[in-house]
Amino acid sequence: DTEVTQTPKHLVMGMTNKKSLKCEQHMGHRAMYWYKQKAKKPPELMFVYSYEKLSINESVPSRFSPECPNSSLLNLHLHALQPEDSALYLCASSQGIQGNNYGYTFGSGTRLTVV
Amino acid sequence: DAKTTQPPSMDCAEGRAANLPCNHSTISGNEYVYWYRQIHSQGPQYIIHGLKNNETNEMASLIITEDRKSSTLILPHATLRDTAVYYCIVRAYSGGGADGLTFGKGTHLIIQP
Repeated sequence: DTEVTQTPKHLVMGMTNKKSLKCEQHMGHRAMYWYKQKAKKPPELMFVYSYEKLSINESVPSRFSPECPNSSLLNLHLHALQPEDSALYLCASSQGIQGNNYGYTFGSGTRLTVV
Repeated sequence: DAKTTQPPSMDCAEGRAANLPCNHSTISGNEYVYWYRQIHSQGPQYIIHGLKNNETNEMASLIITEDRKSSTLILPHATLRDTAVYYCIVRAYSGGGADGLTFGKGTHLIIQP
């Protein structure tokens, strides 16, 4: 399995809702990432997990809460979002410190719309 | 990581070679050149990377100038499915280590039928 799987593919949520985005990989990668991508902009790094511990938080608002239950799963919990948080949310994984040459594998993303 | 400069957009005829330039004049000795592409509404996809030698794989070729201040990604026989945003990224090799990728604005390559 050489894929990163993200669910759901599309999500519409109200500003008072709580929802979660899920990401899964079975490549044995020990680093996992969340990116946010607005329309016609490049992806922007949000969080990095290394060996299931949060190692980088790029000053993301607390209404986004990441969680890494195990080495294969990464969640992004969403609460009290704003319409400007509507974007494509991408998950990625990589080998980690002792890696190979192929860098990062990205999922296809979750298209989030906040209404 | 060194800054990169890419043209915002390029056109290429189907079946021809697409040559995508990237300037990275401040690259340092331990930094690699990576190329990713993002087809509309999909996640970025790794293409190729190199340090100083030219590299080729089943997707593309990477030509790095001798002074390493610029590089060119070559798609030898472009197809409509190669229409995408292509990102040139310069970073120190950490084996895909846990520090994330920083994307610039990239080049929107449009393959014309």
